[in-house]
Amino acid sequence: KQEVTQIPAALSVPEGENLVLNCSFTDSAIYNLQWFRQDPGKGLTSLLLIQSSQREQTSGRLNASLDKSSGRSTLYIAASQPGDSATYLCAVTGANSKLTFGKGITLSVRP
Amino acid sequence: EPEVTQTPSHQVTQMGQEVILRCVPISNHLYFYWYRQILGQKVEFLVSFYNNEISEKSEIFDDQFSVERPDGSNFTLKIRSTKLEDSAMYFCASRGTSGNLAKNIQYFGAGTRLSVL
Repeated sequence: KQEVTQIPAALSVPEGENLVLNCSFTDSAIYNLQWFRQDPGKGLTSLLLIQSSQREQTSGRLNASLDKSSGRSTLYIAASQPGDSATYLCAVTGANSKLTFGKGITLSVRP
Repeated sequence: EPEVTQTPSHQVTQMGQEVILRCVPISNHLYFYWYRQILGQKVEFLVSFYNNEISEKSEIFDDQFSVERPDGSNFTLKIRSTKLEDSAMYFCASRGTSGNLAKNIQYFGAGTRLSVL
């Protein structure tokens, strides 16, 4: 059974800092990996999708990497801003296209 | 940009009552999903739906749950007799038409918060 882990559960950084959020998964037989953003009480916004054949994807200040064989992904956020404060969820797509989620990392960027 | 819409945003019900949560997926999408998130816990898969039938369901999705696509636009989740532990945020998602799983992003709605009293 696929398990997705995100550690730590929470992170607080000063504005302007570059940071890395980690995600690990137990079963490397995935089709893709998605990073989502969730604001308190809100839905899930897809940030980046990395296909299983890819190593990384970039969107603006965000860069996500995937090492499928070792079961790891990272989300790099450059020059963090207070507006980046949210919970970041990692999810992998397995058989029948269902997503398995991690519990998320709650990021707080201090002005 | 097209989006998945869910109604209502918040539903309060008494234990034992039936509830129907509604979703309008993105119009040309063919694959539909329901997930739930109990407060403080992970987002969990409930069910996937394609070509008017369930593709896969989780252990959570027991006989009390059902899904339907009653017309060309809506996708509903029904809970027949709600329990206290059904209180959660329920998310609907849809994805596109390609059979290439690797490329497809699942787009999520804003969710329905279900409170069972």
